[in-house]
Amino acid sequence: AQRVTQPEKLLSVFKGAPVELKCNYSYSGSPELFWYVQYSRQRLQLLLRHISRESIKGFTADLNKGETSFHLKKPFAQEEDSAMYYCALKEAGGGNKLTFGTGTQLKVEL
Amino acid sequence: GAVVSQHPSWVICKSGTSVKIECRSLDFQATTMFWYRQFPKQSLMLMATSNEGSKATYEQGVEKDKFLINHASLTLSTLTVTSAHPEDSSFYICSALRTGGTYEQYFGPGTRLTVT
Repeated sequence: AQRVTQPEKLLSVFKGAPVELKCNYSYSGSPELFWYVQYSRQRLQLLLRHISRESIKGFTADLNKGETSFHLKKPFAQEEDSAMYYCALKEAGGGNKLTFGTGTQLKVEL
Repeated sequence: GAVVSQHPSWVICKSGTSVKIECRSLDFQATTMFWYRQFPKQSLMLMATSNEGSKATYEQGVEKDKFLINHASLTLSTLTVTSAHPEDSSFYICSALRTGGTYEQYFGPGTRLTVT
């Protein structure tokens, strides 16, 4: 069965510091990986997906199949980046179901 | 565009009663919706996939007779928690799958259920 692991429950960084939120997955096929973000008192929303290979709000994530990782990175953290971040996996041919990691709370301090 | 609403946003019910939660896609049609459950400070756990016009598909360990799902139209899915017990207290979140293009799930704001 597929599994998504986010080892850090809480990550605290200072404003302007680099950020890396870790995500590892286990899946035998070719997955599609996503990062979702949930700001305080807001609903879950898509941040980025690996197939788009885009940068959203300064965040990027590269799928590393060899290491089965999809870490989320941003070179300079901003206060507004403080939120809960979830890594998610969609199986190939899995009916669009998502498997979520346990989430990492990012806190950007001044 | 792509807004999903849930009603109610919070509900308190007595043990043994049933409660219905609605999930609506406001500006697009969704043949597929998903129901998740989230415990405090934990991840979203998929409960079931709701398919318009057909039976829902439940994940392993989810009691289909307890969590009744109805997807009667292309914009509405309902989750009914039957004979609720305190252990059913949780945050229930739905999402609607927008097809065409990227097949992205759009999430509702969630419903807080407290069973006393």
